[in-house]
Formats: sequence, C-alpha cells, structure tokens
Amino acid sequence: EADIYQTPRYLVIGTGKKITLECSQTMGHDKMYWYQQDPGMELHLIHYSYGVNSTEKGDLSSESTVSRIRTEHFPLTLESARPSHTSQYLCASSLSGTSGEQYFGPGTRLTVT
Amino acid sequence: SQQGEEDPQALSIQEGENATMNCSYKTSINNLQWYRQNSGRGLVHLILIRSNEREKHSGRLRVTLDTSKKSSSLLITASRAADTASYFCATDGETSGSRLTFGEGTQLTVNP
Repeated sequence: EADIYQTPRYLVIGTGKKITLECSQTMGHDKMYWYQQDPGMELHLIHYSYGVNSTEKGDLSSESTVSRIRTEHFPLTLESARPSHTSQYLCASSLSGTSGEQYFGPGTRLTVT
Repeated sequence: SQQGEEDPQALSIQEGENATMNCSYKTSINNLQWYRQNSGRGLVHLILIRSNEREKHSGRLRVTLDTSKKSSSLLITASRAADTASYFCATDGETSGSRLTFGEGTQLTVNP
C-alpha cells in the first residue's frame, strides 16, 4: 500500500456548498496530481504540482482549485459544488527524476445533491 | 481525445485461463505503464515498459510494446478470482513532463 491518504472517503453535500478534499503523502514526493474519474471510465487529469508553490491545470477543465504550500499536502477545493461535480476524485504522487510511476490514494467519492 | 484506447472494454474468463488486454496510443512515448484498480479504490502500479523495450515480465504478468504500431498488450497467466479488477494503460509522452494519459480501461472478471 502506498503512503498517500485522502479524506474524506465519501462525501454527500448540497449544491452551492464549499468543500475541500484533502490529500497527503509521506513519501517525500515532489510531484502530485488530482484526477477525476466517473464510474467505469478513464481518469482525467485536472490539476498537478511539481513542487511547493507550483500548481498547473490539467487536461480536463475543472472549476476546482488547488494549493501546494507543503510538499506533503495537496488539497483540492470546490468553491460552489454542483451536481455535475459528482464523481470520484483520485490523488496521486510521484518522485522527481524517475520514469513516472504514480502512487494513488484510495479516492474520494463525491455526491452533490 | 484519449491517448490510450484499450480493448476489450470487458473480459470475462474462468479461473486458470489467460487474460490478454490491449492498449493503443497516438503519440511518441517515454514509457507505458499498466495499472490495476479494484472497484471503488485507487490505482495500483503493475509494470512499466520503456520505449526501447519490447517485452517485460513480472510474476504472472507479461507486457509487450510495439512502438511501430503504437500498441501494448498485458497478459495475465493462470488467472485467479482475485485478479478481477479494471486494468488501465497509461502513457508518459515525450513532451508530457511525466504527466500520464490513461486509457479507458478493461474490466476483467475472473470466475471461480
């Protein structure tokens, strides 16, 4: 099991609420990623970070934002949740200078009602 | 459009049989990786094959890569019920800066 953690595992919230999905890793990895995955579908990269104070948008447009103030922590925030945000959110990390093997957290399944 | 496309989308076999999944991609790559995902969980890295390699083995897994056809296959030999999961290929493109692009996945069911 990888040392990367996500909380909460499951979240049901109402439309318009602000939420933060937490992701932490204890492996000292510089690179961290957020993916969105609908059931039975492929992963879409929505944000990534190559180090502290570095964040970039991914391939899939997202209304979420991220921050990277500490190496081990990469939270994702939705300012105003909508039903279209219902999905699974997966956090991952990888070590710089390697061939890119990524370690995944268990995911947060978000339902917006 | 997705870099990786996998087939079949779903595969159902009996325990002890071999399972083969294929992945195709579009652009030049540094390496190709295979991941496994159990239902409702995160992905687990299985094996990585570099662009200058043609075949790689890890336990019951065998991966091939054909860069001329931009395709890869994952073979699981002597399958077990515990192999039931979704399997994804992911490509690390030459210009992607170690960002991975994932395929659509193959849902494998191994019946006891």
